[in-house]
Amino acid sequence: EVQLVESGGGLVQPGESLRFSCTASGFTFSNYWMSWVRQAPGKGLEWVANIKQDGSEKFYVDSVKGRFIISRDNAKNSLYLQMNSLRAEDTAFYYCARVSSLTTFDFWGQGTLATVSS
Amino acid sequence: QSVLTQPPSVSAAPGQKVTISCSGSSSNIGNNYVCWYQQLPGTAPKLLIYDNNKRPSGIPDRFSGSKSGTSATLGITGLQTGDEADYYCGTWDNSLSAFWVFGGGTKLTVL
Repeated sequence: EVQLVESGGGLVQPGESLRFSCTASGFTFSNYWMSWVRQAPGKGLEWVANIKQDGSEKFYVDSVKGRFIISRDNAKNSLYLQMNSLRAEDTAFYYCARVSSLTTFDFWGQGTLATVSS
Repeated sequence: QSVLTQPPSVSAAPGQKVTISCSGSSSNIGNNYVCWYQQLPGTAPKLLIYDNNKRPSGIPDRFSGSKSGTSATLGITGLQTGDEADYYCGTWDNSLSAFWVFGGGTKLTVL
């Protein structure tokens, strides 16, 4: 059974940092692109970042470029999102998702909440 | 403002059929497969339809998808109260700074 479990959420002040982790199980992690997708409370879904199987390619939505870093450790079956210079508008649930094809996120974690507030 | 346009809400009675539309452009829906996701209250999104009209294992055939031009449609027949959820369409976009785009979501109410 495919499982994705996020951790690392919390409350921080604007300008501070947070690091999310996502631990995968039930599939060969190193065979898949992985993604982070976020959802502000009561709002819709927004893709944040993707990373290739070997970590050699990374893509970000414009609003987080230069502030967020996606990475992975295939030996640990883990995906990470380092979020720096956080803003109030980054407040959201962050979901780890497996990318099964160009257009498909086929499995999602339960999400972890980042709250950025003074 | 989402790249893909969905109606904010739809409603229908139990047992009835409902459709949810998703409108885009040639840079997204027009040239790429569409997915649909179901998000039950308080839970993570779940893949419902992929490649326009395919259902993952375990998704009942009450759920169907179609695409025509730059629009896609999710259909749900035999509505059940357990289908009350937010539904999102999503696809790849060839042109924007956000390569993967979603609709704003449609809240389905089963009356």
